[in-house]
Amino acid sequence: SQQGEEDPQALSIQEGENATMNCSYKTSINNLQWYRQNSGRGLVHLILIRSNEREKHSGRLRVTLDTSKKSSSLLITASRAADTASYFCATDDRSSNTGKLIFGQGTTLQVKP
Amino acid sequence: GAGVSQSPSNKVTEKGKDVELRCDPISGHTALYWYRQSLGQGLEFLIYFQGNSAPDKSGLPSDRFSAERTGGSVSTLTIQRTQQEDSAVYLCASSLGTQNQFFGPGTRLTVL
Repeated sequence: SQQGEEDPQALSIQEGENATMNCSYKTSINNLQWYRQNSGRGLVHLILIRSNEREKHSGRLRVTLDTSKKSSSLLITASRAADTASYFCATDDRSSNTGKLIFGQGTTLQVKP
Repeated sequence: GAGVSQSPSNKVTEKGKDVELRCDPISGHTALYWYRQSLGQGLEFLIYFQGNSAPDKSGLPSDRFSAERTGGSVSTLTIQRTQQEDSAVYLCASSLGTQNQFFGPGTRLTVL
C-alpha cells in the first residue's frame, strides 16, 4: 500500500517560476527522500532528509520536513523546461530494518518554456 | 562506473505465460530491492534481499510471483501464469546498506 498522498497530482508552470510539491506520510520514519522520474522509467535520487532535520538544500532544490505533521515539501526554484518530470517522495519505516521504501503517488510537473 | 542494469527493457507476453525479469545490481551492493509501478502510480515494494539473510517477501502480491538472488549478485523476478493486471514497470534497486538506493531503468511488462 502507498505511504500517503502527494499534492498536487499535476503542476504546470512557466520556466523561471518556482514549483512546490507536498508529501504526507503515515508511519514513523528515519528519513524521507525525493526522487525524480523521467518518462516512467528509472528513478533518480534527488535529496535525502533525516527525521532530525527540518530543512535541506541542494542546488535549486529545497526540502522541508515536519515530523509532527508527517509532511514534507520539495521546492524547485527558477524552474527549467528540463525539470519536467514526475517527482516522488519516499520514506522508510522505522519499525522495519529492511530499508524498503514506501512511495507516494507522485506529482507530475510540466515546465513550459 | 556501471549502474543497475535490467533486462529486458520491454517484454510483451500473452496471458498465462511465465516471464523472467533480470536485475544486475551495482557491484558490491549487498541490498537489492524489486518494486512495481503501475501506470500513473507510485512504486510498490515487492521483495528485498540483504546478503545471505532470508528475503523480505512481504510485498509480493500473490504466489505467482517469486524472486531469487544468486551468489549475492544477480536477481531474477519470475511471474508465473501472467495476468493482465501484472502489466507494469518492474524496477530494481540496489544499495550498500539500507540507504541511497540506486534504481535501474526498469522492465516494462505488457500482458496481452
